[in-house]
Amino acid sequence: AQKITQTQPGMFVQEKEAVTLDCTYDTSDPSYGLFWYKQPSSGEMIFLIYQGSYDQQNATEGRYSLNFQKARKSANLVISASQLGDSAMYFCATRWNTGNQFYFGTGTSLTVIP
Amino acid sequence: NAGVTQTPKFQVLKTGQSMTLQCAQDMNHNSMYWYRQDPGMGLRLIYYSASEGTTDKGEVPNGYNVSRLNKREFSLRLESAAPSQTSVYFCASSEDQREDHEQYFGPGTRLTVT
Repeated sequence: AQKITQTQPGMFVQEKEAVTLDCTYDTSDPSYGLFWYKQPSSGEMIFLIYQGSYDQQNATEGRYSLNFQKARKSANLVISASQLGDSAMYFCATRWNTGNQFYFGTGTSLTVIP
Repeated sequence: NAGVTQTPKFQVLKTGQSMTLQCAQDMNHNSMYWYRQDPGMGLRLIYYSASEGTTDKGEVPNGYNVSRLNKREFSLRLESAAPSQTSVYFCASSEDQREDHEQYFGPGTRLTVT
């Protein structure tokens, strides 16, 4: 069964606008972590932001924030004030407390338009 | 502090040839992982090592073997390469099995099997 889902294969956003990338997950484990990674065209995987399942507040890191809705099992990434350098693939990932594996979504390709 | 290093960066093999992908980390992490990335499929776990001396299969282990040589090094071997193994391979590490610890990725190896 698919454990993590990104339903937007591609997204476009105007420079300086905000954009939301969707991610939903499926688990019965009460304790888990949610991660977002960025993969630019150069290929490396860059860690962006983390949200724990017990965290009361939504995580923020600079222009990145995570809209965490636990009851809906969603962990959407919000990028504010988009920049041309934000054009990349974005992957949502999760890790359960009961296992050592990470599970990745299929990614969303974001293009920032000048 | 180099983080996670992988060799080689690029490799072309003929069907049936064997090769070993090398990975090393200098962050004193306990857990290490091998993924493959194919277009439209995100990252899929091949094998992982929760700690030195242990290895476990991931989602797509067929055709691969691994060795956790010591705490720093985790190698991936293709015994008889097939065109279906054409992919980008990423090695990653994390501090341990806690769900709030992110993975750190190497730069990737682009493998083509003809």
